Amino acid sequence: DTAVSQTPKYLVTQMGNDKSIKCEQNLGHDTMYWYKQDSKKFLKIMFSYNNKELIINETVPNRFSPKSPDKAHLNLHINSLELGDSAVYFCASSQGGTSEQFFGPGTRLTVL
Amino acid sequence: GENVEQHPSTLSVQEGDSAVIKCTYSDSASNYFPWYKQELGKGPQLIIDIRSNVGEKKDQRIAVTLNKTAKHFSLHITETQPEDSAVYFCATIKSDSWGKLQFGAGTQVVVTP
Repeated sequence: DTAVSQTPKYLVTQMGNDKSIKCEQNLGHDTMYWYKQDSKKFLKIMFSYNNKELIINETVPNRFSPKSPDKAHLNLHINSLELGDSAVYFCASSQGGTSEQFFGPGTRLTVL
Repeated sequence: GENVEQHPSTLSVQEGDSAVIKCTYSDSASNYFPWYKQELGKGPQLIIDIRSNVGEKKDQRIAVTLNKTAKHFSLHITETQPEDSAVYFCATIKSDSWGKLQFGAGTQVVVTP
């Protein structure tokens, strides 16, 4: 059983395009997150949703727009992709804000 | 904001030896300290965590210690095995930040047979 799943696993696209990454969790958690891992492996939180409401919005360009249609899904839409957006994006979920976060397998985004 | 420093950045150990990774944090409001293991091509996975009201926690070959006064915590892996080879991340969460994990820069651990 996959706890946190993401699609696609790989995404290669041209600069200026718009793309979306989807995330689903079947753990019944109420909080979901998006993290970005750069080429040096550094992990940084981007967004967090609790019960479909945005609660963390780090300093992320407004080209990035998360959407949570329900508690089990958190999608990430990126407009006007730039070279610097190339990274691995991880979705995660937890029950509440101070419990274990379960990470998805990641989406490797490459912008050419 | 919170600053989490992690050392060393790389660690090579002989199979069977122990590995120790250390992290320091700056914000005294931090109260949850998880450690994640990331294998190549996979997402981070929690291996052990500790809360601020506990000084030490152990799970088989893995242990974590926390010194709140000095604001540092450490991961100890005993009897290392080749499958322990991975990148390990420490992280903190502050009491007033909902799930906002602040990660250290990671430690690449290589266990040689």
